[in-house]
This record gives sequence, structure tokens and C-alpha cells, in this order.
Amino acid sequence: DADVTQTPRNRITKTGKRIMLECSQTKGHDRMYWYRQDPGLGLQLIYYSFDVKDINKGEISDGYSVSRQAQAKFSLSLESAIPNQTALYFCATSDSGGSRNEQFFGPGTRLTVL
Amino acid sequence: AQSVTQLGSHVSVSEGALVLLRCNYSSSVPPYLFWYVQYPNQGLQLLLKYTSAATLVKGINGFEAEFKKSETSFHLTKPSAHMSDAAEYFCAVSPGSTGNQFYFGTGTSLTVIP
Repeated sequence: DADVTQTPRNRITKTGKRIMLECSQTKGHDRMYWYRQDPGLGLQLIYYSFDVKDINKGEISDGYSVSRQAQAKFSLSLESAIPNQTALYFCATSDSGGSRNEQFFGPGTRLTVL
Repeated sequence: AQSVTQLGSHVSVSEGALVLLRCNYSSSVPPYLFWYVQYPNQGLQLLLKYTSAATLVKGINGFEAEFKKSETSFHLTKPSAHMSDAAEYFCAVSPGSTGNQFYFGTGTSLTVIP
């Protein structure tokens, strides 16, 4: 079983709809991240969380919100989706006490906003 | 501030030829450096990492990278390309002393020609 899972893997939605992307991990890591990937732009950090009570904005947080429901779960919400949020979204985890600074990635969610 | 520059968004090599993917970084503190690979429709997988130990780092699948502080570079090499190496490669920097927020390059797509 995968250590970092993302649901759904693919989603098509319409402008203005609320969307939630979910991430779960079984690695026991305390730190979790959400990135978006656009062609030619690499990965950009949306939000990150260093523990359940800690949420931080990344480079491109506008239009997004997150919730850290438990150490193993970190969800990303688009309150009112717009077409330029069409992208590939990745969740990642890391362990502050272990092999620091290595991040482990989920398989990604491909989101299309029409 | 931290940033990563990957020279060449597309690189083509013949099967059996040397692979060289370039990465230059800027960091205000001693960095940790990473190379990740992304195969089609998959998440990112760690190839190798530099965390202030040996400057020549060996990774999986025959890849290696050398940290050159004077050149602020961390280029990825493989002596002999294989068809299975075709993928997207990302260089990333993390300011090791302040936590593990990553900054990714824009990626290099490697094509291997039979």
C-alpha cells in the first residue's frame, strides 16, 4: 500500500464550485505539504503544516484553504474554483525527527476547472 | 532567499550517452539539495540528496550529483542513458537549518533516443 495517498486522482469541476482534495499518510510523519504543478513552472508550495495545530501559507495560497484534521490527514480546499486553478496537485510529507528535509510525495490529483 | 535554476527545460540524449542535467541554486544558508524524478502519471520520487556530508552523492538507478559550493551547482549525471530514464527531473533546495520547506526548479524533461 502507498504511504501517501491522494483522493480523488482525477477531478473535473465547473467554475465556482467548491472542491476538496484529500491527503492521507501512513508514514507517521508530522509535516505535510500541498503543492501545485504547472507545465514549465515546476512545483509551487500552497500550504504546509508542521503539526496538527500549525498551518502556514506557502508561495501561492490565495484561493486555497487547508485543514489538518489529524496528523495523518491534510486536505486542500478550493472554495470557489476558477479555471486557472487547473493543475496537478501533490501532497507531500516529511519527518522533523528523522531524515530531515526529505519529502515523500503522493501520486497527485489532476484537477480540471471548466 | 532560496531559489533553484535548472538550465534547459528539455534535454535529449542517445541511449548509452552521458546524461547531464544542470542545477544551480542560491541560498542564504548552507543548503540541503535534492534531485527528484517524475515518471509519467506518477508522483515525485527521490533520486538523491546532499545534506552536507560527501560532496559527491550517489543515488538510485546509476545517477549521481556533485555539490560544488564555489559554483553553487548540483548537476545530475549518469554515465550511460537508458530508455527507462526518460522522465521529468526536478532539482530542489531546502535551507537545512530552518526546517524543510522546499524550493523547486522548473524541471527538465529528459528524452532518450534509441
